[in-house]
Amino acid sequence: DIQMTQSPSSLSASLGDRVTITCRASQSISSYLNWYQQNPGKAPKLLIYAASSLQSGVPSRFSGSGSGTDFTLTISSLQPEDFATYFCQQSYRTPLTFGGGTKVEIK
Amino acid sequence: EVQLVESGGGLVKPGGSLRLSCAASGFTFNNAWMSWVRQAPGKGLEWVGRIKSKTDGETTDYAAPVKGRFTISRDDSKNTLYLQMNSLNIEDTAVYYCTKEDSSGYFIWFGSWGQGTLVTVAS
Repeated sequence: DIQMTQSPSSLSASLGDRVTITCRASQSISSYLNWYQQNPGKAPKLLIYAASSLQSGVPSRFSGSGSGTDFTLTISSLQPEDFATYFCQQSYRTPLTFGGGTKVEIK
Repeated sequence: EVQLVESGGGLVKPGGSLRLSCAASGFTFNNAWMSWVRQAPGKGLEWVGRIKSKTDGETTDYAAPVKGRFTISRDDSKNTLYLQMNSLNIEDTAVYYCTKEDSSGYFIWFGSWGQGTLVTVAS
């Protein structure tokens, strides 16, 4: 199975900060990497697919990059609604696997 | 608008069975690949399994922890996805999400999610 490791597991940031979350795959997955945002008590929501493609309706302050084994999700200027947990997920092969999550909290 | 509505969750004893349903609307269900994803309380996301469209053979694939115990099926005439869960154990306690897989070429992602249904396995 492909293991997905996210870092950090949590972070504290202020409104307007630039935030970067890292996801590392245990083997090369090309660009088969997706990012989701989850608010407490809610279902996850797709942000980025294929490593860098922004899902329709998602604000442009979110961006994704990387290929192979190392990927990043960047929020260019943190907004109040961005305080949530973020998950990466590989779709290179089954079993489809997720990273452990990164919780973004208010400093 | 895509809508996925799960039902069938509840409290079940270890060793018991439960069947979840997911009513789909707003898209052509019979063309869609569908997956179940679960989330144990306070934990991360775990893919449970997938069923492809009838056109793609209606084949299924499962995560190791549920293989042989869970079965995913679909009724395209009712636009409904199912998850039959047998031999449940405490570790299966989770919110179960129905998801619609979207794709572009070989790239696949979980584009739409239901609200989830809670399954609690306890004596």
